[in-house]
Amino acid sequence: DAGITQSPRHKVTETGTPVTLRCHQTENHRYMYWYRQDPGHGLRLIHYSYGVKDTDKGEVSDGYSVSRSKTEDFLLTLESATSSQTSVYFCAVTASYNSPLHFGNGTRLTVT
Amino acid sequence: AQSVAQPEDQVNVAEGNPLTVKCTYSVSGNPYLFWYVQYPNRGLQFLLKYITGDNLVKGSYGFEAEFNKSQTSFHLKKPSALVSDSALYFCAVRDQTGANNLFFGTGTRLTVIP
Repeated sequence: DAGITQSPRHKVTETGTPVTLRCHQTENHRYMYWYRQDPGHGLRLIHYSYGVKDTDKGEVSDGYSVSRSKTEDFLLTLESATSSQTSVYFCAVTASYNSPLHFGNGTRLTVT
Repeated sequence: AQSVAQPEDQVNVAEGNPLTVKCTYSVSGNPYLFWYVQYPNRGLQFLLKYITGDNLVKGSYGFEAEFNKSQTSFHLKKPSALVSDSALYFCAVRDQTGANNLFFGTGTRLTVIP
């Protein structure tokens, strides 16, 4: 698992509330990613980071922001949660280009 | 833009029979291709990758994949399926723009029937 911990594992929240998901890694890998998994869509990239304070948008970044103040932590924030953000969120890490991504066990988020 | 397609949502195979999970890709340039497996309530686990070299790539748990440039395919195979192989399988291609992320297919659910 490359020492990846996602928290919380499950969360139910109401529309309009802010939500922060955390990804913590113990391997000091450079690259970190946030994906969401939805039926019929596979996994889609939300945001990624290529170093401390270096982040960029993925294909489904609207409504999400990220921060990486330390190598080991990558936070995903939903500023104002919507029902369309109900999903399973996965964090992934990798050390270098073309190395496989290693995934956490996911956070199941339900927005009511 | 690069992408992968998995044409089958569901594949059923009898235990002991060979299995194939299909993937086709679309890239400009040389593709970097990956297969991952997902078990219930878990993250994706890396199975194998193709970067360059031999068209037959061997991976974890007895899986292999055949890269075919003329057919733009990267099918996952195993000679003899196990019930424990039942899971969701994803094909992925590396982003070639330098972002170092992966584009995933929609997944194929493999069920091995005892």
